Amino acid sequence: ELKVEQNPLFLSMQEGKNYTIYCNYSTTSDRLYWYRQDPGKSLESLFVLLSNGAVKQEGRLMASLDTKARLSTLHITAAVHDLSATYFCAVDTRDDKIIFGKGTRLHILP
Amino acid sequence: NAGVMQNPRHLVRRRGQEARLRCSPMKGHSHVYWYRQLPEEGLKFMVYLQKENIIDESGMPKERFSAEFPKEGPSILRIQQVVRGDSAAYFCASSPMNRGYNSPLHFGNGTRLTVT
Repeated sequence: ELKVEQNPLFLSMQEGKNYTIYCNYSTTSDRLYWYRQDPGKSLESLFVLLSNGAVKQEGRLMASLDTKARLSTLHITAAVHDLSATYFCAVDTRDDKIIFGKGTRLHILP
Repeated sequence: NAGVMQNPRHLVRRRGQEARLRCSPMKGHSHVYWYRQLPEEGLKFMVYLQKENIIDESGMPKERFSAEFPKEGPSILRIQQVVRGDSAAYFCASSPMNRGYNSPLHFGNGTRLTVT
Protein backbone atom coordinates (compact mmCIF):
# COMPACT_ATOMS: atom_id res chain seq x y z
CA GLU A 1 0.00 0.00 0.00
CA LEU A 2 1.25 3.45 -0.91
CA LYS A 3 2.55 5.48 2.01
CA VAL A 4 3.14 9.22 1.83
CA GLU A 5 5.28 10.84 4.50
CA GLN A 6 5.81 14.52 5.00
CA ASN A 7 8.31 16.23 7.19
CA PRO A 8 8.38 18.23 9.18
CA LEU A 9 4.81 17.99 10.45
CA PHE A 10 5.07 21.32 12.24
CA LEU A 11 7.18 24.28 11.28
CA SER A 12 7.43 27.66 12.88
CA MET A 13 9.63 30.15 11.10
CA GLN A 14 10.40 33.83 10.93
CA GLU A 15 9.31 36.03 8.09
CA GLY A 16 11.99 36.45 5.48
CA LYS A 17 13.54 33.03 6.02
CA ASN A 18 13.72 30.13 3.56
CA TYR A 19 12.64 26.60 4.29
CA THR A 20 11.84 23.30 2.60
CA ILE A 21 9.08 20.77 3.22
CA TYR A 22 9.77 17.19 2.16
CA CYS A 23 7.39 14.56 0.83
CA ASN A 24 8.50 10.94 0.46
CA TYR A 25 6.35 8.19 -1.01
CA SER A 26 6.76 4.46 -1.05
CA THR A 27 5.81 3.19 -4.52
CA THR A 28 6.11 4.25 -8.13
CA SER A 29 3.94 7.15 -9.14
CA ASP A 30 4.02 9.66 -11.95
CA ARG A 31 1.80 12.35 -10.49
CA LEU A 32 2.23 14.33 -7.33
CA TYR A 33 0.18 17.24 -6.02
CA TRP A 34 0.68 19.97 -3.49
CA TYR A 35 -2.32 21.53 -1.76
CA ARG A 36 -2.77 24.31 0.75
CA GLN A 37 -5.42 24.32 3.49
CA ASP A 38 -6.25 27.27 5.71
CA PRO A 39 -7.88 26.50 9.09
CA GLY A 40 -11.48 25.42 8.70
CA LYS A 41 -11.30 25.73 4.94
CA SER A 42 -11.13 23.51 1.90
CA LEU A 43 -8.05 22.46 -0.01
CA GLU A 44 -6.59 24.65 -2.71
CA SER A 45 -4.47 23.12 -5.44
CA LEU A 46 -0.98 24.63 -5.69
CA PHE A 47 1.02 22.42 -8.02
CA VAL A 48 0.73 19.32 -10.17
CA LEU A 49 4.06 17.61 -10.83
CA LEU A 50 4.13 15.05 -13.58
CA SER A 51 7.61 13.93 -14.42
CA ASN A 52 11.03 13.36 -13.01
CA GLY A 53 12.86 16.62 -12.60
CA ALA A 54 9.69 18.70 -12.83
CA VAL A 55 9.97 22.08 -11.15
CA LYS A 56 7.15 24.59 -10.79
CA GLN A 57 7.13 27.98 -9.16
CA GLU A 58 4.37 30.29 -8.06
CA GLY A 59 5.37 33.39 -6.14
CA ARG A 60 7.44 32.41 -3.11
CA LEU A 61 6.67 28.70 -3.49
CA MET A 62 8.62 26.28 -5.63
CA ALA A 63 7.90 22.56 -5.94
CA SER A 64 10.07 19.84 -7.43
CA LEU A 65 9.80 16.14 -8.07
CA ASP A 66 12.41 13.38 -8.16
CA THR A 67 10.59 10.20 -9.15
CA LYS A 68 13.70 8.05 -8.81
CA ALA A 69 14.16 9.08 -5.19
CA ARG A 70 10.37 9.17 -4.71
CA LEU A 71 10.76 12.61 -3.21
CA SER A 72 9.10 15.95 -3.72
CA THR A 73 10.03 19.21 -2.08
CA LEU A 74 8.13 22.43 -1.49
CA HIS A 75 10.52 25.31 -1.00
CA ILE A 76 9.46 28.58 0.57
CA THR A 77 11.52 31.63 -0.21
CA ALA A 78 11.53 34.73 2.02
CA ALA A 79 8.43 33.59 3.89
CA VAL A 80 5.62 36.04 4.62
CA HIS A 81 2.84 35.71 7.20
CA ASP A 82 0.20 35.06 4.50
CA LEU A 83 1.84 31.73 3.74
CA SER A 84 0.85 30.37 7.16
CA ALA A 85 -1.31 27.31 6.42
CA THR A 86 -1.16 23.53 6.27
CA TYR A 87 0.49 22.13 3.17
CA PHE A 88 -0.29 18.66 1.90
CA CYS A 89 1.39 16.55 -0.69
CA ALA A 90 -0.68 13.87 -2.40
CA VAL A 91 0.38 11.03 -4.65
CA ASP A 92 -1.58 9.45 -7.45
CA THR A 93 -1.58 5.66 -7.50
CA ARG A 94 -1.75 3.76 -10.77
CA ASP A 95 -5.43 3.02 -10.15
CA ASP A 96 -6.30 6.72 -9.66
CA LYS A 97 -6.56 6.53 -5.88
CA ILE A 98 -4.93 9.67 -4.47
CA ILE A 99 -3.20 9.33 -1.12
CA PHE A 100 -2.38 12.33 1.06
CA GLY A 101 0.42 12.92 3.50
CA LYS A 102 -0.39 14.08 7.02
CA GLY A 103 0.36 17.67 6.17
CA THR A 104 2.87 20.24 7.36
CA ARG A 105 1.48 22.95 9.59
CA LEU A 106 3.42 26.07 8.76
CA HIS A 107 3.34 29.04 11.10
CA ILE A 108 5.21 32.14 10.01
CA LEU A 109 6.00 34.61 12.71
CA PRO A 110 5.86 38.30 11.83
CA ASN B 1 -19.71 29.30 -9.45
CA ALA B 2 -19.89 25.68 -10.56
CA GLY B 3 -17.48 24.32 -7.96
CA VAL B 4 -17.86 21.20 -5.86
CA MET B 5 -20.83 21.70 -3.56
CA GLN B 6 -21.14 19.91 -0.26
CA ASN B 7 -24.00 20.11 2.17
CA PRO B 8 -24.63 20.54 4.90
CA ARG B 9 -21.56 22.49 6.01
CA HIS B 10 -22.12 21.49 9.60
CA LEU B 11 -24.06 18.50 10.87
CA VAL B 12 -24.74 17.55 14.47
CA ARG B 13 -26.00 14.09 15.27
CA ARG B 14 -26.57 12.19 18.48
CA ARG B 15 -25.01 8.79 18.94
CA GLY B 16 -27.02 6.17 17.12
CA GLN B 17 -28.53 8.50 14.54
CA GLU B 18 -27.80 8.47 10.83
CA ALA B 19 -25.74 11.06 8.99
CA ARG B 20 -26.13 11.80 5.28
CA LEU B 21 -23.55 13.92 3.57
CA ARG B 22 -24.11 15.18 0.05
CA CYS B 23 -21.70 16.16 -2.68
CA SER B 24 -22.48 17.62 -6.08
CA PRO B 25 -19.40 17.49 -8.29
CA MET B 26 -18.26 20.23 -10.59
CA LYS B 27 -20.18 20.51 -13.84
CA GLY B 28 -18.87 17.97 -16.29
CA HIS B 29 -17.20 15.85 -13.61
CA SER B 30 -18.29 12.25 -13.29
CA HIS B 31 -15.90 10.97 -10.62
CA VAL B 32 -16.13 11.65 -6.91
CA TYR B 33 -13.74 10.98 -4.05
CA TRP B 34 -14.58 11.10 -0.34
CA TYR B 35 -11.95 11.81 2.32
CA ARG B 36 -12.14 12.08 6.10
CA GLN B 37 -10.04 14.52 8.09
CA LEU B 38 -9.69 14.27 11.83
CA PRO B 39 -8.69 17.43 13.72
CA GLU B 40 -5.12 18.44 12.94
CA GLU B 41 -4.55 15.37 10.78
CA GLY B 42 -4.26 14.62 7.10
CA LEU B 43 -6.90 13.45 4.70
CA LYS B 44 -7.69 9.76 4.76
CA PHE B 45 -9.01 8.24 1.55
CA MET B 46 -12.40 6.59 1.94
CA VAL B 47 -13.99 5.85 -1.41
CA TYR B 48 -13.78 6.65 -5.12
CA LEU B 49 -16.92 6.49 -7.26
CA GLN B 50 -18.16 7.19 -10.71
CA LYS B 51 -21.82 7.43 -11.58
CA GLU B 52 -23.61 4.22 -10.56
CA ASN B 53 -20.34 2.48 -9.76
CA ILE B 54 -17.97 2.20 -6.80
CA ILE B 55 -14.44 2.05 -8.16
CA ASP B 56 -12.48 1.72 -4.92
CA GLU B 57 -13.87 1.57 -1.40
CA SER B 58 -10.77 0.25 0.31
CA GLY B 59 -10.74 3.16 2.78
CA MET B 60 -14.30 2.72 3.97
CA PRO B 61 -14.94 1.13 7.36
CA LYS B 62 -16.58 -2.26 6.84
CA GLU B 63 -19.63 -1.42 8.90
CA ARG B 64 -22.03 1.52 9.11
CA PHE B 65 -20.51 3.45 6.20
CA SER B 66 -21.77 3.41 2.63
CA ALA B 67 -21.47 5.64 -0.40
CA GLU B 68 -23.32 6.00 -3.65
CA PHE B 69 -23.27 8.19 -6.72
CA PRO B 70 -26.52 7.70 -8.61
CA LYS B 71 -27.13 8.48 -12.24
CA GLU B 72 -29.07 11.55 -11.20
CA GLY B 73 -28.37 13.67 -8.16
CA PRO B 74 -25.47 14.11 -5.77
CA SER B 75 -23.12 11.57 -4.30
CA ILE B 76 -24.16 10.53 -0.79
CA LEU B 77 -21.94 9.37 2.04
CA ARG B 78 -24.10 7.67 4.63
CA ILE B 79 -23.07 6.84 8.15
CA GLN B 80 -25.47 4.73 10.15
CA GLN B 81 -25.61 4.58 13.95
CA VAL B 82 -22.98 7.28 14.37
CA VAL B 83 -20.50 7.15 17.23
CA ARG B 84 -18.35 9.91 18.71
CA GLY B 85 -15.35 8.65 16.77
CA ASP B 86 -17.12 9.56 13.52
CA SER B 87 -16.78 13.25 14.36
CA ALA B 88 -14.58 14.70 11.64
CA ALA B 89 -14.56 16.84 8.53
CA TYR B 90 -15.61 14.94 5.44
CA PHE B 91 -14.37 16.31 2.14
CA CYS B 92 -15.57 15.48 -1.31
CA ALA B 93 -13.50 16.04 -4.43
CA SER B 94 -14.38 15.58 -8.07
CA SER B 95 -12.65 15.01 -11.35
CA PRO B 96 -13.69 14.52 -14.97
CA MET B 97 -13.97 11.01 -16.40
CA ASN B 98 -10.77 11.36 -18.30
CA ARG B 99 -8.75 13.22 -15.76
CA GLY B 100 -6.19 15.07 -17.77
CA TYR B 101 -2.64 14.45 -16.82
CA ASN B 102 -2.32 17.95 -15.48
CA SER B 103 -5.61 18.06 -13.60
CA PRO B 104 -5.78 18.02 -9.80
CA LEU B 105 -8.81 17.05 -7.77
CA HIS B 106 -11.23 19.87 -7.00
CA PHE B 107 -12.42 19.92 -3.41
CA GLY B 108 -15.62 21.06 -1.79
CA ASN B 109 -15.75 23.01 1.45
CA GLY B 110 -16.40 19.92 3.51
CA THR B 111 -19.05 18.80 5.97
CA ARG B 112 -18.10 19.00 9.62
CA LEU B 113 -19.86 16.23 11.48
CA THR B 114 -20.16 16.43 15.24
CA VAL B 115 -21.54 13.47 17.16
CA THR B 116 -22.80 14.27 20.63
